[in-house]
Amino acid sequence: DTGVSQNPRHKITKRGQNVTFRCDPISEHNRLYWYRQTLGQGPEFLTYFQNEAQLEKSRLLSDRFSAERPKGSFSTLEIQRTEQGDSAMYLCASSFSDEQYFGPGTRLTVT
Amino acid sequence: AQKVTQAQTEISVVEKEDVTLDCVYETRDTTYYLFWYKQPPSGELVFLIRRNSFDEQNEISGRYSWNFQKSTSSFNFTITASQVVDSAVYFCALSEEHSGYALNFGKGTSLLVTP
Repeated sequence: DTGVSQNPRHKITKRGQNVTFRCDPISEHNRLYWYRQTLGQGPEFLTYFQNEAQLEKSRLLSDRFSAERPKGSFSTLEIQRTEQGDSAMYLCASSFSDEQYFGPGTRLTVT
Repeated sequence: AQKVTQAQTEISVVEKEDVTLDCVYETRDTTYYLFWYKQPPSGELVFLIRRNSFDEQNEISGRYSWNFQKSTSSFNFTITASQVVDSAVYFCALSEEHSGYALNFGKGTSLLVTP
């Protein structure tokens, strides 16, 4: 499978715990994006990387959120001290130009 | 401010009817791209089409067609002879050069096609 993959697909955690998600982009894609989608809404941009450089962060990305892409390949998104409002689908996309290919997402439920 | 507006929240049609999903966008960039994505109940976003700001030519792909009009900042999507499998949420999105082509999505239109 050469598409974008995300792990885990589902995560249930208790409020206050830290969680980390992983995204593996399509191998030749240099851009990687993170989005968040809550129920009934469109995806909202969080941040993006060009190679290993994080070039833009949305104001939605609070201090509790951090993303990395250490070698310009896979990326991780960590949420510290999770809150119930963090419950959402976290989507990763990768691109070589302007067309983004999305992964299946990680659904986070904070109880 | 919402950059992409999809005024229709939900649409319900009977199979074989034609249906048009509206999308209005807002940008100050001269270089931008417009997209439509389909999100079926399974949840994965499926790319349908991309249009750049310099190409206003309408496009047809099978039962799908798109009408891009810069004069009205609209990028509407028509499904001809709808089928039950077309039932999904459809998102229009805008990406702008100045923001690294991050996608700004509309809130989506939920389409239900009944037999």
